[in-house]
Amino acid sequence: TQLLEQSPQFLSIQEGENLTVYCNSSSVFSSLQWYRQEPGEGPVLLVTVVTGGEVKKLKRLTFQFGDARKDSSLHITAAQPGDTGLYLCAGGQTGANNLFFGTGTRLTVIP
Amino acid sequence: SQTIHQWPATLVQPVGSPLSLECTVEGTSNPNLYWYRQAAGRGLQLLFYSVGIGQISSEVPQNLSASRPQDRQFILSSKKLLLSDSGFYLCAWRKPGPRGRTDTQYFGPGTRLTVL
Repeated sequence: TQLLEQSPQFLSIQEGENLTVYCNSSSVFSSLQWYRQEPGEGPVLLVTVVTGGEVKKLKRLTFQFGDARKDSSLHITAAQPGDTGLYLCAGGQTGANNLFFGTGTRLTVIP
Repeated sequence: SQTIHQWPATLVQPVGSPLSLECTVEGTSNPNLYWYRQAAGRGLQLLFYSVGIGQISSEVPQNLSASRPQDRQFILSSKKLLLSDSGFYLCAWRKPGPRGRTDTQYFGPGTRLTVL
């Protein structure tokens, strides 16, 4: 059972465009993490959100945790080639020692 | 600050050979430790996690085993590798604590395993 569904699965855009990646579930999470992974490397943490409705900004990246803590979005403004990578969301749940990972969104930003 | 190391970075092994991948964490004590496998360009599959020395939980029954001989050392092993064991193996740690911000896991650089 896949708790977290990410969409789109693949995204190819031109440099300078905006984009949004979604991470959806029917389950409630105590936290939501976003990671970016480049080929041959481990995922790097971008943000952790824990409060329903929480919005965090990291330069051109804006992260939002849904009010009901069941979903999250990642918005990138004016995408750059350096944003290329695999974006993974992951949720933590009370009573679980592990994170539940989404299916991933592979983003390619074309110069 | 905390750092996590994995070695080797790359490994090519024949079918039927043994395997030992090592993960160590520095700068923290009593971390929760995790082993994941990732197929090419895909999401992460949790293999094992450990909340303390000698304590291993297996998520997926398979050809692999894990051990935690020291607080900050986590080892992934196999007695006889299969072709299907090829993949990118990631180790991660998290600081135990109440739910919320301490859910966050931090990943090592990974080991690329190819079984021929």
